[in-house]
Parts: sequence; C-alpha cells; structure tokens
Amino acid sequence: GESVGLHLPTLSVQEGDNSIINCAYSNSASDYFIWYKQESGKGPQFIIDIRSNMDKRQGQRVTVLLNKTVKHLSLQIAATQPGDSAVYFCAEMRRTSGTYKYIFGTGTRLKVLA
Amino acid sequence: NAGVTQTPKFQVLKTGQSMTLQCAQDMNHEYMSWYRQDPGMGLRLIHYSVGAGITDQGEVPNGYNVSRSTTEDFPLRLLSAAPSQTSVYFCASTSLGGVQSEQYFGPGTRLTVT
Repeated sequence: GESVGLHLPTLSVQEGDNSIINCAYSNSASDYFIWYKQESGKGPQFIIDIRSNMDKRQGQRVTVLLNKTVKHLSLQIAATQPGDSAVYFCAEMRRTSGTYKYIFGTGTRLKVLA
Repeated sequence: NAGVTQTPKFQVLKTGQSMTLQCAQDMNHEYMSWYRQDPGMGLRLIHYSVGAGITDQGEVPNGYNVSRSTTEDFPLRLLSAAPSQTSVYFCASTSLGGVQSEQYFGPGTRLTVT
C-alpha cells in the first residue's frame, strides 16, 4: 500500500456530512492555489483551483475558499461519500520567468465513516 | 489520451546501482517535472523542463539527472542509488499556455534502495 502520509493529520467525517480541510500558505505572490486528491497507490489528481484575486470558487460538490488576510485556504466537500476517502494536498503556484513554481503542502487524510 | 505514463511501477535497487525512470505524456504539454514523495512530507520538486532541450533544477536535484530530447519524454536518471533515494517518484506535466493551474500526474514509481 501507499507509504505516504504515515504521520498526516486525519479528518474523520460521517458519510453524508460536509468536510472542511484547511491549509495555510506562505507566499503572498502565488498566482493560484490548488487542491489535489491522492488515493492510495495513485498519483495526485487535480480537484479545483482558485486564482489569487478570488475569494471563493465552486465546483461539483466542492468549494474552495481563500482568505488572503490570514493566508488560509480551505476545501469544503458537500455530502461526503466513501469515495472521497483520500489524502488531500493544497499547493501554491506562481508563474515566474516563463515557467511555473509549485509548492505543495504535506496533506490531510480524510476518512469517511459509514 | 493516455495522459502521463510512468515505468516501472516498482523497482528495487542495490546501493550504487544506476537506473532510469521513464515518463511520457501525450498531451503536448511544454512543462514536465519530477517529484519525490516521502512519508509526512509534501511533494518535492527534483527537476523540471519547460520544453525540449531545456531543463532546470528543483528543490532536491542532487543524485538525479534529467534530459528532454522530445516534448513527450522526460526520463529521470539515478546515477548511483543511495538508501536516501528510497521514495515514491511522480512525473507531472502541464501546459504553459493554459488558463488554469492543473498539473497532470502519472501513477508513480515506488523505488526501494537497499
């Protein structure tokens, strides 16, 4: 199985409830903030991103909130399902000198309880 | 599209051996990158490339070489494997002309160095 995330913070949520996963970022110059989902044994999968000039963005069952004042990013998952169980990473992306620079957080494990 | 593919999925090396991790993408993405993922840590950038013939170092480049002879392929070479290189390696790609930040990740290569 996947050895990543042995010491990750874990959020346990009852199936059907809403989940909120939080992330603090460091670089005020980042252009985008991104959430990835990583299931056991797989590569990270893009969920949703938000540009730095926005406060909120909604996708299908997911909402990302950006609070630039306190450098805080959150991912809200509505009506959490067993398939949402995974490790969730936030990342910052900045365009610089013709390339992209990504910085990843360490991740939060979401466990959905039946 | 196959997306981003990586081979092999698993590899065991002895200290001092060399090998190449393969990565290919069929989305005509200019930007490709290699990350390593260790328990309790976020993805760390090893090397990246913004186009054929152009490569640059990331956060943790020591002990690794890359080349980019074509847009599609971005192999990662371990010159002389060390136990500290035991990790899960991910290749990713994205379009530099895209309007959002999405990186596409491969399924990963789990490397053990004994």
